Amino acid sequence: GQNIDQPTEMTATEGAIVQINCTYQTSGFNGLFWYQQHAGEAPTFLSYNVLDGLEEKGRFSSFLSRSKGYSYLLLKELQMKDSASYLCAARRSNDYKLSFGAGTTVTVRA
Amino acid sequence: ETGVTQTPRHLVMGMTNKKSLKCEQHLGHNAMYWYKQSAKKPLELMFVYSLEERVENNSVPSRFSPECPNSSHLFLHLHTLQPEDSALYLCASSSPGGGGEQFFGPGTRLTVL
Repeated sequence: GQNIDQPTEMTATEGAIVQINCTYQTSGFNGLFWYQQHAGEAPTFLSYNVLDGLEEKGRFSSFLSRSKGYSYLLLKELQMKDSASYLCAARRSNDYKLSFGAGTTVTVRA
Repeated sequence: ETGVTQTPRHLVMGMTNKKSLKCEQHLGHNAMYWYKQSAKKPLELMFVYSLEERVENNSVPSRFSPECPNSSHLFLHLHTLQPEDSALYLCASSSPGGGGEQFFGPGTRLTVL
């Protein structure tokens, strides 16, 4: 089955760091995706983890622990434009379908 | 035009109307998806087409009818919808294998009166 949990909302100050956690229970797990979605816009791909460890891409990093069924997205040096919803999604083996969490709305304040 | 496009961007319809949503991808992908996004709820996968064949129908009511005439185009035909069907309908495409990330269109905001 699929069960993806992430916090509903987070607030942080410009320049700060925020960590968005995601836990999943996915049979035949084969990869964890993070997407960013600004209000009224399409979700856009941020990162993909299939092996344990940290993947860094500029100000954004994503971590995966397969044994714990856990991932996080780390946003550093927050900017106002980072205010958006962040979606965690898990993929099953041999299956191109994704199961999404409800999204975490991050609000960056000056 | 690049990426995934959807038309219309906004649609208001009565419960007795028939309308269609259109999605087009210019990425050379061979899998396309319809999702429903309601406020504060996870994206719900509705339909998946791979190589123009429907490979997934997630217990979606028959008032939603998908059509995939070729690998670049995907339609969602709507008829006799209910107010609870009001939502953002997102189209996505991907290539199987590798990272397999899905690329999303901007969505159609549907309101059923």
